[in-house]
Amino acid sequence: DAKTTQPPSMDCAEGRAANLPCNHSTISGNEYVYWYRQIHSQGPQYIIHGLKNNETNEMASLIITEDRKSSTLILPHATLRDTAVYYCIVRPYSGGGADGLTFGKGTHLIIQP
Amino acid sequence: NAGVMQNPRHLVRRRGQEARLRCSPMKGHSHVYWYRQLPEEGLKFMVYLQKENIIDESGMPKERFSAEFPKEGPSILRIQQVVRGDSAAYFCASSLGGPRPSPLHFGNGTRLTVT
Repeated sequence: DAKTTQPPSMDCAEGRAANLPCNHSTISGNEYVYWYRQIHSQGPQYIIHGLKNNETNEMASLIITEDRKSSTLILPHATLRDTAVYYCIVRPYSGGGADGLTFGKGTHLIIQP
Repeated sequence: NAGVMQNPRHLVRRRGQEARLRCSPMKGHSHVYWYRQLPEEGLKFMVYLQKENIIDESGMPKERFSAEFPKEGPSILRIQQVVRGDSAAYFCASSLGGPRPSPLHFGNGTRLTVT
């Protein structure tokens, strides 16, 4: 079962920053926070992941609270092509292999023109 | 660098036939995962494989479904005697594995329709 809570849907105006929240209050010390998105009829797309420090890449920024119980994915300048379902996933990492991902229901982000 | 390749993109089978779904992981990736997405539902983990080994098949139905990842060639998800309830999108993902956390990268799926 997914260990994260996300709002089912959000709207954001094109060109503005989209801030997607995620609660993961039961996260363990060896668990990472991953974000993926799924655009209709495509495979999930990896966005970003982090452990405790904030992370930024060419797609987005990930802000993780100091207690690690919640995080926010930030798309700095949303475009219509960012309309998708966004999944926040807590993934254990045992260090010896590659554990899989458990997807919840995600947040359906709709970018409005 | 090509991404995860899945084929066919669309597959139609009659009830009782066999379906074979193929997945070529990204270059250098030795870990493969299969997921299923039923219409209007979320992604469900099926199986996790490394070369020639099934590591975790806890999400696989007990009957009719099997998966392999041979030393050479793509990973194959095989569904025998398909039924209408098998109609879904099947996604494959691959990752590097190893001592550091490695994201899963997904293909665009095979959409299986059972008539």
